[in-house]
Amino acid sequence: AQKVTQAQTEISVVEKEDVTLDCVYETRDTTYYLFWYKQPPSGELVFLIRRNSFDEQNEISGRYSWNFQKSTSSFNFTITASQVVDSAVYFCALSEAISGGYNKLIFGAGTRLAVHP
Amino acid sequence: GAGVSQTPSNKVTEKGKYVELRCDPISGHTALYWYRQSLGQGPEFLIYFQGTGAADDSGLPNDRFFAVRPEGSVSTLKIQRTERGDSAVYLCASSYLGGSSSYEQYFGPGTRLTVT
Repeated sequence: AQKVTQAQTEISVVEKEDVTLDCVYETRDTTYYLFWYKQPPSGELVFLIRRNSFDEQNEISGRYSWNFQKSTSSFNFTITASQVVDSAVYFCALSEAISGGYNKLIFGAGTRLAVHP
Repeated sequence: GAGVSQTPSNKVTEKGKYVELRCDPISGHTALYWYRQSLGQGPEFLIYFQGTGAADDSGLPNDRFFAVRPEGSVSTLKIQRTERGDSAVYLCASSYLGGSSSYEQYFGPGTRLTVT
């Protein structure tokens, strides 16, 4: 069975601190996708990144970076120089790759990040 | 362009009543998903539509839940004989099938259902 674990329930940091959100996943599939979504107080889930299981290169997008390590089944998310606007709940998700583009997302429980001025 | 829209944004109903929740996906997106998010939890998959047909309804908790997408665009999630345990935020997502973005689901703002 597929499972996503986000062990950190809540994290509180002061603005400009770096923060890493952990994500550990379980799957028996050899081909799968990993995602991060942001859910601000407004409630709408915002897509951040998608990674497939064959691409272990780390990715950087502005202040955001992702570290994918198959050896430890982890897909961690780091925010550099955090800002108050980063305050949100962040979800890591996993899906198996099925032909035709259909993918049922399995979400972790989320990590609530509070960035204080 | 317009994102996924869901109506109503909030719905309060009494236990035992019937409710309908509507989702209008992004234009051109053939794949549509429903998820349910309980307080403090991540979203949980309910059902997936490919066009008009429900390709996977394995996440529907029981036969009180049903969803349709008759014309391959708007979808309605229907809950009969609502129970207090059905209270949650119901999220709809759509995705475009084709090309590199096939696996990216775009979510609506959700419908918060409260059963009293």
